[in-house]
Amino acid sequence: GNSVTQMEGPVTLSEEAFLTINCTYTATGYPSLFWYVQYPGEGLQLLLKATKADDKGSNKGFEATYRKETTSFHLEKGSVQVSDSAVYFCALKNAGGTSYGKLTFGQGTILTVHP
Amino acid sequence: DTEVTQTPKHLVMGMTNKKSLKCEQHMGHRAMYWYKQKAKKPPELMFVYSYEKLSINESVPSRFSPECPNSSLLNLHLHALQPEDSALYLCASSPTGLEEQYFGPGTRLTVT
Repeated sequence: GNSVTQMEGPVTLSEEAFLTINCTYTATGYPSLFWYVQYPGEGLQLLLKATKADDKGSNKGFEATYRKETTSFHLEKGSVQVSDSAVYFCALKNAGGTSYGKLTFGQGTILTVHP
Repeated sequence: DTEVTQTPKHLVMGMTNKKSLKCEQHMGHRAMYWYKQKAKKPPELMFVYSYEKLSINESVPSRFSPECPNSSLLNLHLHALQPEDSALYLCASSPTGLEEQYFGPGTRLTVT
């Protein structure tokens, strides 16, 4: 079956530090990959996505590259801000079969950024 | 417009009450979802509607009853819930089942 593994948190950084949150996956076929962010007390927001190997998703200074050879989709940001403090979820979705419509989430990584 | 709205924002109900959660989207999406999220955990899928038909039920107890009256609306009817059902209930939609999902802000449910 499908699975997503994220680096364990929490992650604590100072403002302007470099961020990496690791994400690896197991899936059959060619899944689409996503990063979602959840700010305190809110729902999930789509941060970025990639639908095929070597695609790079980017948004708000965050980037992630779909690496099929390493089955990874690591999230990076060059300079984090206090406002980036949130929970980050890596997720995948397969195109069909019995998984149709289902997102598989990682466990989430809590990020705290201090001034 | 990529907005999914959910009402109410907060709900407190007793174990004998009947209540409903409402979700609405006007993006023309044909797939809609209900998730349950406990604190510090990822969302857990409950139901998927595709073209207004229930396509996935993740073995959810019958005290949760979904309904899709039309392509823009999704309801979750609640009856005889247990305290362990207290959680954030999230609705999401996507153009079809294949694309990214857009989430609403959630309903924070407390069962007393």
